[in-house]
Amino acid sequence: GAVVSQHPSWVICKSGTSVKIECRSLDFQATTMFWYRQFPKQSLMLMATSNEGSKATYEQGVEKDKFLINHASLTLSTLTVTSAHPEDSSFYICSARVRTGFGGELFFGEGSRLTVL
Amino acid sequence: AQSVTQPDIHITVSEGASLELRCNYSYGATPYLFWYVQSPGQGLQLLLKYFSGDTLVQGIKGFEAEFKRSQSSFNLRKPSVLWSDAAEYFCAVDLYDKIIFGKGTRLHILP
Repeated sequence: GAVVSQHPSWVICKSGTSVKIECRSLDFQATTMFWYRQFPKQSLMLMATSNEGSKATYEQGVEKDKFLINHASLTLSTLTVTSAHPEDSSFYICSARVRTGFGGELFFGEGSRLTVL
Repeated sequence: AQSVTQPDIHITVSEGASLELRCNYSYGATPYLFWYVQSPGQGLQLLLKYFSGDTLVQGIKGFEAEFKRSQSSFNLRKPSVLWSDAAEYFCAVDLYDKIIFGKGTRLHILP
């Protein structure tokens, strides 16, 4: 299957700093990428949908200014957690669809664990 | 509203026993459904998917799932589980522009 790479796998930062997480589709072009947040032992909460060349679509309740998403190319989307606080500590997972629309399979990155001190 | 429900938060079975994980969906049209598996600290891997046609679909690692429209269900099954099957399992429904997930079922395997 298609490969999605996420980096870094884990990151520790101080409160108030910003952290960038990259998501790359290695062997296909992803028109659409998705960012999920997963709390311990819970399901994946969709944060936003990222479309190449346009602004991300955020889910209700997700702060746009806190979680900046950029999809600069068909193979790269980035999530920047700005002015991070301990409550932002979580497991962030990106995914990409080979094609949009029904049936387009999602391929997931390995996830990035963020710990804010 | 569209939703996916996994009624069981935890399931424990003995190694070698059969397994069924439940999934119910709420969707107005014919759904596109997925089952994903997540090992601890990892991303998700697709086990199988249903789009149309045969209501019994085969997946990887010996898993299968049956789509039952009358029950709005898409239950995952395996005839004989392995120790390595211990993981979190997520059912998901395709809403065209995004995919939403159930809350997951954590599978524990007894030796």
